[in-house]
Parts: sequence; structure tokens; C-alpha cells
Amino acid sequence: SAVISQKPSRDICQRGTSLTIQCQVDSQVTMMFWYRQQPGQSLTLIATANQGSEATYESGFVIDKFPISRPNLTFSTLTVSNMSPEDSSIYLCSGTGNYGYTFGSGTRLTVV
Amino acid sequence: SQQGEEDPQALSIQEGENATMNCSYKTSINNLQWYRQNSGRGLVHLILIRSNEREKHSGRLRVTLDTSKKSSSLLITASRAADTASYFCATFQGAQKLVFGQGTRLTINP
Repeated sequence: SAVISQKPSRDICQRGTSLTIQCQVDSQVTMMFWYRQQPGQSLTLIATANQGSEATYESGFVIDKFPISRPNLTFSTLTVSNMSPEDSSIYLCSGTGNYGYTFGSGTRLTVV
Repeated sequence: SQQGEEDPQALSIQEGENATMNCSYKTSINNLQWYRQNSGRGLVHLILIRSNEREKHSGRLRVTLDTSKKSSSLLITASRAADTASYFCATFQGAQKLVFGQGTRLTINP
């Protein structure tokens, strides 16, 4: 199966700033996704990262707050913009291909 | 919205005992998957069971699926301290979007 390298693994950020999270896959994947996991909760899908075009966002998530890029089939970024303490969560990327589903190791974000 | 609901939300057992977690879902599925998450890190795929299967085994894991009740269970036999983690069921919504249950936090006490 593919391996996804996600970074940073954790960060503590000031409110009002932005953080960009990167995911690099070691092989081409068909689709990439970004999830948010709030403290003690399950994973919620933020958006599908589309290669070469705008991401497809789920209800409750907007591009201005969570801009996503996917310039090629192996790389994607998620930016958490104008952060507030409510954005403190774990953010995970995932990719799917012939091998199935693989997840990055997650980014634990704390906003102070 | 979450597709699956799991119970119990938290489970604490002694090492060597068996752990059973349940998952219910709402819509028709082609398959159901179980994942493990250690300490809020990335998810590890454990097992996939197809809608035409009733039971599947992988090592110490046994998964059952009852499509008439829209439910699945994950059994971990002879638990070990290393099994301490959160366990999530997941189903596909649409072609490839995974939707997760609420999860069960499993603690194995030595």
C-alpha cells in the first residue's frame, strides 16, 4: 500500500494566523481527502482534494477557511486560515488507489 | 454527518480478555471497514468485510456483518496492552468518501 508523509506532526499556533499542512504520497493515488478530528471525536471529512482543480468541500466547510491545493497526483496541502481555538484538532489526509485507503499520521494543531 | 454509531464509546478490560465493539450504520453498503487509531495519530486499516460476507477473520480479529440489522461487530481475542487504541468502523458514502462511526476507546489493563 502507499505511504503518506504528513507534516508537521504537531504545532501550536497563535489565533488569527494560518497553518499549512502538507501530505506527500510515495505513489500516485486516485483521490485524496482531508479530515478533521476534534478532541475526543470521530473523523469528519472536510473536502476532497481534486488534482488540478478546486477542492470539493463538505457541508460546513468553506474554501476561504480551509484552502486546499493538489498540484499533482502525489501531493496536497490544507491551510487552516485565520485560526481560532475552535480549530484545535487533529487534521488527517488520506489517499485511495488500487491498494485501498491510506492515512497520513496526522497533524495535531493547538490554537492559543 | 456520521454514517455509523458505535458502542460502547469506551471499553476497559484486562489483558487476555476478549473485546467486542459494535457498529451500526444507516444506509446500504458494499463493504464496511474497521480502523485503529493509536493516541490520536493516523489510522491503520484493520479489515474490510464485503456486504455478501457474514464473518471474516484476520489473526486475533473477527468481524461480523449483519446487513439486515445494518450492524457489524469487531472482536479482538486474547487482548494485549498494545491493543489499547480507538477503533472506528467506516463505510463509503458515494464512490470513495469514507464516513466514520463515533469510535470505541479501548483500554487494555495489564
